[in-house]
Amino acid sequence: GQQVMQIPQYQHVQEGEDFTTYCNSSTTLSNIQWYKQRPGGHPVFLIQLVKSGEVKKQKRLTFQFGEAKKNSSLHITATQTTDVGTYFCAGLPISGGYNKLIFGAGTRLAVHP
Amino acid sequence: KAGVTQTPRYLIKTRGQQVTLSCSPISGHRSVSWYQQTPGQGLQFLFEYFSETQRNKGNFPGRFSGRQFSNSRSEMNVSTLELGDSALYLCASSLVGGGNDGYTFGSGTRLTVV
Repeated sequence: GQQVMQIPQYQHVQEGEDFTTYCNSSTTLSNIQWYKQRPGGHPVFLIQLVKSGEVKKQKRLTFQFGEAKKNSSLHITATQTTDVGTYFCAGLPISGGYNKLIFGAGTRLAVHP
Repeated sequence: KAGVTQTPRYLIKTRGQQVTLSCSPISGHRSVSWYQQTPGQGLQFLFEYFSETQRNKGNFPGRFSGRQFSNSRSEMNVSTLELGDSALYLCASSLVGGGNDGYTFGSGTRLTVV
């Protein structure tokens, strides 16, 4: 079936270091979305990427969508303790109609001060 | 504007019982999706409703059902509860749905089956 794989599962960094999580789909995607879930919280929508090769920035966060629309990455520059949480990618497989958003397993980020 | 409201926040049920969870989406959002979140399986799609119609369904047994009312509020029901149904149940609302726009999640209902 359609899958979205996300790596790494877990990463801990020292505050100030960079962090990257990668997302790979088994099928071509119509779009990819990124969410952040703080410990004990619920997923919060960060961004949606639609175009092949698209790059978007939100302050210290940089999101990329691959040329083939099968992979994506989220890069955080100079992490802060407020970045702690689990980052999920969610891909929408290309289809003729409405489809299901498929979530990756998430990357849990721990930031040590 | 008000966010997505899920009730109750916590539930403890016994095996074999049934449970109904409620979700009120953001005003104007017609799509409501339900997800089950567990540590081992991540976020698993249950179903999506749009304008009172189930538009999509995940791979869950028939014990899991849902519905949507004319005011877009949605309920999901789980009958004959099993221990493995213990999870955080998240509801997400969006304007268009179908994964075409970003979801706003509620705080979830944490269900514990004993």
